[in-house]
Amino acid sequence: QKEVEQNSGPLSVPEGAIASLNCTYSDRGSQSFFWYRQYSGKSPELIMFIYSNGDKEDGRFTAQLNKASQYVSLLIRDSQPSDSATYLCAVKYGNKLVFGAGTILRVKS
Amino acid sequence: SQTIHQWPATLVQPVGSPLSLECTVEGTSNPNLYWYRQAAGRGLQLLFYSVGIGQISSEVPQNLSASRPQDRQFILSSKKLLLSDSGFYLCAWSLSRNEQFFGPGTRLTVL
Repeated sequence: QKEVEQNSGPLSVPEGAIASLNCTYSDRGSQSFFWYRQYSGKSPELIMFIYSNGDKEDGRFTAQLNKASQYVSLLIRDSQPSDSATYLCAVKYGNKLVFGAGTILRVKS
Repeated sequence: SQTIHQWPATLVQPVGSPLSLECTVEGTSNPNLYWYRQAAGRGLQLLFYSVGIGQISSEVPQNLSASRPQDRQFILSSKKLLLSDSGFYLCAWSLSRNEQFFGPGTRLTVL
């Protein structure tokens, strides 16, 4: 059973702060990891992917991967109210993605 | 650029009625195609995926079925809907790379 675990939240941060979202996965052989953002009532939107250990930065977003600890995280710098959404972590197994249940992020102005 | 369409956007159906949801992808060839369901407040559940025309893999036993009659068309069907079939149905595509991209979804309510 391939599992992806996320804290459901909600995670509340003030505007301008760093939001840190975390995800753990069960299969040590996993190679590809994704973060999606889902606004209420909308479909998921891919925001980051990471394949190698370490950090990957894209604008205000940084994905961090630690394969030894089976841990992947997403940092959002200078959080904005428009970042308020559910963030889904996904891990690739073969042709398929297994999703976590998502973490609700609320950015308060 | 690639675009994925789903219709209808919303649907209200009585229990026991049939279902047909359609997904089409533009701007790419031979994509992998996926059907997911998201129940209210829940994560994404993979229902079916397809790596080519006529090739369907089912992930969860249920009263739903899928077909891929053309390279860029993916259809989700049911002969008789159950109350538990209510949810947000999402189609996604990917190429040999890893990323999956989602369509706008169909919100189904079974009454």
